[in-house]
Amino acid sequence: GQSLEQPSEVTAVEGAIVQINCTYQTSGFYGLSWYQQHDGGAPTFLSYNALDGLEETGRFSSFLSRSDSYGYLLLQELQMKDSASYFCAGNYGGATNKLIFGTGTLLAVQP
Amino acid sequence: NAGVTQTPKFQVLKTGQSMTLQCAQDMNHNSMYWYRQDPGMGLRLIYYSASEGTTDKGEVPNGYNVSRLNKREFSLRLESAAPSQTSVYFCASSEVRSTGNTIYFGEGSWLTVV
Repeated sequence: GQSLEQPSEVTAVEGAIVQINCTYQTSGFYGLSWYQQHDGGAPTFLSYNALDGLEETGRFSSFLSRSDSYGYLLLQELQMKDSASYFCAGNYGGATNKLIFGTGTLLAVQP
Repeated sequence: NAGVTQTPKFQVLKTGQSMTLQCAQDMNHNSMYWYRQDPGMGLRLIYYSASEGTTDKGEVPNGYNVSRLNKREFSLRLESAAPSQTSVYFCASSEVRSTGNTIYFGEGSWLTVV
């Protein structure tokens, strides 16, 4: 099958660094994306990893290890506005971009 | 640009009624999707369309039908609504790029089946 697992909740304080992990099933896997969703809103794209290694976009970085079937999203210099749900999503369709989303992690940033 | 537009935003249906959720994108994307999201849960893929004229089942297709009317439009139909289909429905579209296959979402349609 195609499923992705994440921790359900993570709590951190403002200014800290937090890592959100994602494990995925490898059959048909092409790459891993990360999305942010604020309460009541639509998900928005954060980052994408097609190859192993680290991708950095401002305060957000994402990492992929194909050998471990594992990836993570790293959020640095946490701000209150980063409180949201974060989803990893696996591309299981290649060029057709069939995206299967993970279970989601609710991040609570505390002052 | 409007991006991805879906209608209606809110709908209440009685069990057994039918309805169609409409979706249109103006970004010239080939791929379009319908997801559902239950409270406190992740997004589950109902159907997707990799190109005009093609549709494929996702994770939870039962009880739904789709139509890729043209490159811009992708509709989702509930033939006989059930309370289990109460959810938020998101339409999305995507482009395939070497830097990442970004998917863009509509604002969501809140559907309640009573």
